[in-house]
Amino acid sequence: DSGVTQTPKHLITATGQRVTLRCSPRSGDLSVYWYQQSLDQGLQFLIQYYNGEERAKGNILERFSAQQFPDLHSELNLSSLELGDSALYFCASSVGGTGADEQYFGPGTRLTVT
Amino acid sequence: GENVEQHPSTLSVQEGDSAVIKCTYSDSASNYFPWYKQELGKRPQLIIDIRSNVGEKKDQRIAVTLNKTAKHFSLHITETQPEDSAVYFCAASRSGGYQKVTFGTGTKLQVIP
Repeated sequence: DSGVTQTPKHLITATGQRVTLRCSPRSGDLSVYWYQQSLDQGLQFLIQYYNGEERAKGNILERFSAQQFPDLHSELNLSSLELGDSALYFCASSVGGTGADEQYFGPGTRLTVT
Repeated sequence: GENVEQHPSTLSVQEGDSAVIKCTYSDSASNYFPWYKQELGKRPQLIIDIRSNVGEKKDQRIAVTLNKTAKHFSLHITETQPEDSAVYFCAASRSGGYQKVTFGTGTKLQVIP
């Protein structure tokens, strides 16, 4: 157990809908990262927050947005969902915000868009 | 931005043999190179990392080497065991400022008993 929690574990929704994925980092970690992993694909970095502020941005679609709250938990919002958004979404956390720290991954949220 | 290439995409070895996975990176300023192992259906977990001030690091059966001049780094697993079967990801990043971590595309390692 990495100490990072993600909810829900599974999510099934229809095209055009909007969903929110939640992540709670390890105690003491200030950074939260979001990744998308499609079937048999690598880890695509989406976005990073550090202590409430956006720190780095990757290949995140305009339909996706995220935020980190004062208690450091983070939410990833996915809207106008398409079939291609079906994937495993991982959240990770680290102590620092430089990108050069070990990242601890949560168990992931499996999103299925039908 | 940083680009990380990883080879091979799949690798099968006999139990007890060694396995080597190679990655190249494009940003000469990258200075942190972690390796993550992802077992089927599970989360990625860090197995070893190396920073640019050293050329090699070992942890039991696992070692990583770094060649800054050539901008490549490799993961070496000796005396492979069936439980080493997983997907391995390399990554590169640099400390300081707003830097993201760039992952390689992954190597699926199968250790045949």
